[in-house]
Amino acid sequence: DADVTQTPRNRITKTGKRIMLECSQTKGHDRMYWYRQDPGLGLQLIYYSFDVKDINKGEISDGYSVSRQAQAKFSLSLESAIPNQTALYFCATSDSGQGMHEQFFGPGTRLTVL
Amino acid sequence: RKEVEQDPGPFNVPEGATVAFNCTYSNSASQSFFWYRQDCRKEPKLLMSVYSSGNEDGRFTAQLNRASQYISLLIRDSKLSDSATYLCVALGFQKLVFGTGTRLLVSP
Repeated sequence: DADVTQTPRNRITKTGKRIMLECSQTKGHDRMYWYRQDPGLGLQLIYYSFDVKDINKGEISDGYSVSRQAQAKFSLSLESAIPNQTALYFCATSDSGQGMHEQFFGPGTRLTVL
Repeated sequence: RKEVEQDPGPFNVPEGATVAFNCTYSNSASQSFFWYRQDCRKEPKLLMSVYSSGNEDGRFTAQLNRASQYISLLIRDSKLSDSATYLCVALGFQKLVFGTGTRLLVSP
């Protein structure tokens, strides 16, 4: 079984809809991250959380919100989706005891906003 | 200017060839650097860390040149399975900064 799972894996939605992407991990890591990946732009950090009570904005947080429901769960919401949020979204985890350089990524969610 | 810059490629090489990628970074305060590998439509995975003294792992060698602010990855004896995108990564303040990646295609 995968250590970091994301649901859904693919989603097509319409402009203005609210969307939630979910991430779960069984690695026991305290840190979790949400990234988006666009062709030619690389991975961009949306939000990150160093523990259940800690939420931090990344470089492109506008239009997104997150919830850290438990150490193992970190969800990303698009309150009102727009077409330029079409991208590949990755959740990642890391262990603060090991340093943050090794992040373990989920398989990704491909989101299309029409 | 992007904080971490890479040549997007693709680099097309035959099996057995040696290939090298470079990456430049703009934040001189960055202390740690890494290479991640990403297969098509898959998640990135850590390949190796980069140290000033160089780091070798089998066929892979990574080097850091702080004076010129660039990082390199050398792959010897390329295999078909090395075909992927290689992401150069710098450790910033509380976050990793990813380059856009260099695509490698190894052909028979």
